[in-house]
Amino acid sequence: GAVVSQHPSRVICKSGTSVKIECRSLDFQATTMFWYRQFPKQSLMLMATSNEGSKATYEQGVEKDKFLINHASLTLSTLTVTSAHPEDSSFYICSARDGGLAGETQYFGPGTRLLVL
Amino acid sequence: QQQVKQSPQSLIVQKGGISIINCAYENTAFDYFPWYQQFPGKGPALLIAIRPDVSEKKEGRFTISFNKSAKQFSLHIMDSQPGDSATYFCAASPLSGNTGKLIFGQGTTLQVKP
Repeated sequence: GAVVSQHPSRVICKSGTSVKIECRSLDFQATTMFWYRQFPKQSLMLMATSNEGSKATYEQGVEKDKFLINHASLTLSTLTVTSAHPEDSSFYICSARDGGLAGETQYFGPGTRLLVL
Repeated sequence: QQQVKQSPQSLIVQKGGISIINCAYENTAFDYFPWYQQFPGKGPALLIAIRPDVSEKKEGRFTISFNKSAKQFSLHIMDSQPGDSATYFCAASPLSGNTGKLIFGQGTTLQVKP
C-alpha cells in the first residue's frame, strides 16, 4: 500500500528558531501534498495545499511567511515553521494524494510533534 | 456550507456490539466521502470510502451507509473490538475541478469495552 513518511517524528526547539519537517511519499508519486495541524482532541485543520513545482495554496488565516512550504519533487514536500513560538506547538501531519488511478485517496504520514519552549 | 458535522463526539460500546457514527454535510458538490481512523500520536489511516453513486459499501466489519437526499452518511463497525478504540473522522471532498482538499468532521472518540 501507499506509504507516507515524516521526519522528524518529534522535535523540541527554542522560541525564535526555525524547524523543518519533511514529508515523503515512499512508493508513489504525489502531485499534491497537504499539510495539517492538529491540536489535542481536535480535528485536523488544513493549513495548505502543495503542488509539485508551484507555490503552495494556503488556507485562510494561515501565515504563508511563517509556514513555508516547498514541494521540490513528486515525492518530497517540506514545511518550515519560521521563528517558532510556543503557540506553534502542535501535531503537524502531511498527506499525499496518489496521482494514479485512485486519485482521490489521501494517504497520511505519521505526524510530527512540535514543542516550542 | 463547507462544514461536515459529525456525531457523537464520543461513544462507548461493549465488545461485540455495533458502533455507529454519523456525519452530515450541506455542500452538494461533495462527491467523495472517506472515513479515517486515528490512534493517539499517529496519523489518520484510511478505513473505507464511498462515492454517491452507491448507497452502501462494506469492507470487512466496516460499512458506510450513504443517503444522498438527506446529505448524510454513517460508519457502522460490526462486532466492535477493543482494538477498534480510536478516534474516527469522516471527511468529504468535491473531486471535480479540485485538488482533493478534504473537509473533516469534528471526530468521534470510540471506546470499546472488553
